[in-house]
Amino acid sequence: KQEVTQIPAALSVPEGENLVLNCSFTDSAIYNLQWFRQDPGKGLTSLLLIQSSQREQTSGRLNASLDKSSGRSTLYIAASQPGDSATYLCAVKGSGSRLTFGEGTQLTVNP
Amino acid sequence: DAGVIQSPRHEVTEMGQEVTLRCKPISGHDYLFWYRQTMMRGLELLIYFNNNVPIDDSGMPEDRFSAKMPNASFSTLKIQPSEPRDSAVYFCASTDSGAQGTQYFGPGTRLLVL
Repeated sequence: KQEVTQIPAALSVPEGENLVLNCSFTDSAIYNLQWFRQDPGKGLTSLLLIQSSQREQTSGRLNASLDKSSGRSTLYIAASQPGDSATYLCAVKGSGSRLTFGEGTQLTVNP
Repeated sequence: DAGVIQSPRHEVTEMGQEVTLRCKPISGHDYLFWYRQTMMRGLELLIYFNNNVPIDDSGMPEDRFSAKMPNASFSTLKIQPSEPRDSAVYFCASTDSGAQGTQYFGPGTRLLVL
């Protein structure tokens, strides 16, 4: 059974700092990996999707990497802003269409 | 497109009552997912449909839970009878299989069972 772990559970940084969120998964036989953002009381917004054949994806200040063999992914946020404050969730897709989610990292960026 | 639409956004009910949650997926999406999110268990997949057919319902917790998708633009998740431990946020998501797995989530229904 796939298990997804995210470290740290919570992170507080000053505005402008670069930061890294970590995600690990136990079964490397994945189809893709997605990073989501969830604002309080809201649904999930997809940020980046990395296919199993890819090493990284970039969108603006966000960069996600994938090392499938070691079962790890990182989400790098450059020059963090208070508006980046949210919970970030990692999810892996195995065979079929099922996504397995981590428990998320709650990020606070202080002005 | 308006995105995935869920109703109601909030529901407060008493134990034993029937609860029906509704979802309208993004037009043209052929997969629909129901998730439940709690502090204790995080985000869990309950069931998903492909072309209106249930594919995997292994996450449905008990027989009290049932889900239907009568057509491509509407799905329901029903809890009967409801219990306090069903209190959670229920999300619906949809995807176009051609989008290689990107799932688009609705805003969720926050359910409180007293």
